[in-house]
Amino acid sequence: SAVISQKPSRDICQRGTSLTIQCQVDSQVTMMFWYRQQPGQSLTLIATANQGSEATYESGFVIDKFPISRPNLTFSTLTVSNMSPEDSSIYLCSVRRQGAGETQYFGPGTRLLVL
Amino acid sequence: KNQVEQSPQSLIILEGKNCTLQCNYTVSPFSNLRWYKQDTGRGPVSLTIMTFSENTKSNGRYTATLDADTKQSSLHITASQLSDSASYICVVSAGKYSGGGADGLTFGKGTHLIIQP
Repeated sequence: SAVISQKPSRDICQRGTSLTIQCQVDSQVTMMFWYRQQPGQSLTLIATANQGSEATYESGFVIDKFPISRPNLTFSTLTVSNMSPEDSSIYLCSVRRQGAGETQYFGPGTRLLVL
Repeated sequence: KNQVEQSPQSLIILEGKNCTLQCNYTVSPFSNLRWYKQDTGRGPVSLTIMTFSENTKSNGRYTATLDADTKQSSLHITASQLSDSASYICVVSAGKYSGGGADGLTFGKGTHLIIQP
């Protein structure tokens, strides 16, 4: 299994500001992802965090809005930049181990409210 | 377009009763199907994962079934407990090169289950 922690667990932010979310895994993992979960919606993949290189973003998400860092195999950050109320959501870090049934583990999430 | 549809959207049952949640998918190619439980304010936790050749898999009081021919899955909860109140999410994996996201996953919107005492 993998134990994932996220900081902060929740935050209330003002429009136009930025928030950086941290994700820490208890062991090295190859694949790390960032998701967004808007109220009543399914999880949407934002990007794949690549160790030592630029993240790979999904359609509709760009690096200027959601810069991601991954300095090593156990840690990543997601920044939500120049926030607007539409960014209010739960942001989830997730990791996957190769093999072992490809089980994917999720962090507890960061609940963000933008006023 | 790959899609995962779950029903019902929400469900309320009395403690001790059984219930069945449904998942229909149109995902190709198919690699595996997963059920997750998501408590309020927490991240999803894996309950079961089934490949093409598996028809049923159990995890305690949770039993998942898969019919790959009709592209349907169900999650049966036996003798429900208050702690079963959560959202249950069906996720289908199509593999990395399916044309979808880099994670190869298509998520359903979930069934919100409430267990009443």
